[in-house]
Amino acid sequence: QQQVKQSPQSLIVQKGGISIINCAYENTAFDYFPWYQQFPGKGPALLIAIRPDVSEKKEGRFTISFNKSAKQFSLHIMDSQPGDSATYFCAASADSNYQLIWGAGTKLIIKP
Amino acid sequence: KAGVTQTPRYLIKTRGQQVTLSCSPISGHRSVSWYQQTPGQGLQFLFEYFSETQRNKGNFPGRFSGRQFSNSRSEMNVSTLELGDSALYLCASSLEQGQYGYTFGSGTRLTVV
Repeated sequence: QQQVKQSPQSLIVQKGGISIINCAYENTAFDYFPWYQQFPGKGPALLIAIRPDVSEKKEGRFTISFNKSAKQFSLHIMDSQPGDSATYFCAASADSNYQLIWGAGTKLIIKP
Repeated sequence: KAGVTQTPRYLIKTRGQQVTLSCSPISGHRSVSWYQQTPGQGLQFLFEYFSETQRNKGNFPGRFSGRQFSNSRSEMNVSTLELGDSALYLCASSLEQGQYGYTFGSGTRLTVV
C-alpha cells in the first residue's frame, strides 16, 4: 500500500511534442505529490508538486494532472525541449510523517 | 549560497569492508536525510537526522547507520559491504524536520566489488 507505480520506464519524444509520465498510488492517506527532475551526475530537484484539493497545477511548460478517485497523477511537459532530457521521479507523502515514497523513475529523451 | 555537499563523489570498496560517506547540508539547514538510489528502484529512504537525533528510519538492515554532528553535518556508515550495496547514495537537507523543501546533493557513487 506504500508503493507508487510509475510508467513508462523510458520515453522518447520529438522536440516540440508532449511528454506524459504517469503515476499511481494506493495509500489514500497520501496528500502531497511532487515530481522531481534528475540530470546525470546530479541529485533530484523539485520540479512541481500538487495537493489533492486541486485537479491540475501548471508551472510554465510543466503540468500535473491529478485524479483523486482513480488514485493517479501525471506529469505533462508541453513543447518538450532537448534540455528536458532527464530522469523524472514522481513521489507521494502524507503530512503525518513527511516521508516521500518514490516511483521508480522515467528516463525521458527528447530528440531534436 | 553553497548547496548540499557530499564526499567523496565516487568510491570503490571490496565486499566485507566498511565505508563512511559524508554530507554537509546547506548552511542553516538542520535536517538531513539519506537515500539509496539504484537503477529501476527509485529512491529508498534510509534515515533522517535532526538535532543530532535519528527521527525516522527506513527499512534497511542494521549494517546501515548514520549520525549527525552539532554543526548539522552528517555521516552515513555501511558495514560488511555486500555487492547489492552498490548504489548512488544521496543526501538531502531541509531547514527543519518535517518539511518538504528538500535540497539534494549530487550523491556518492559506491561500487562494491
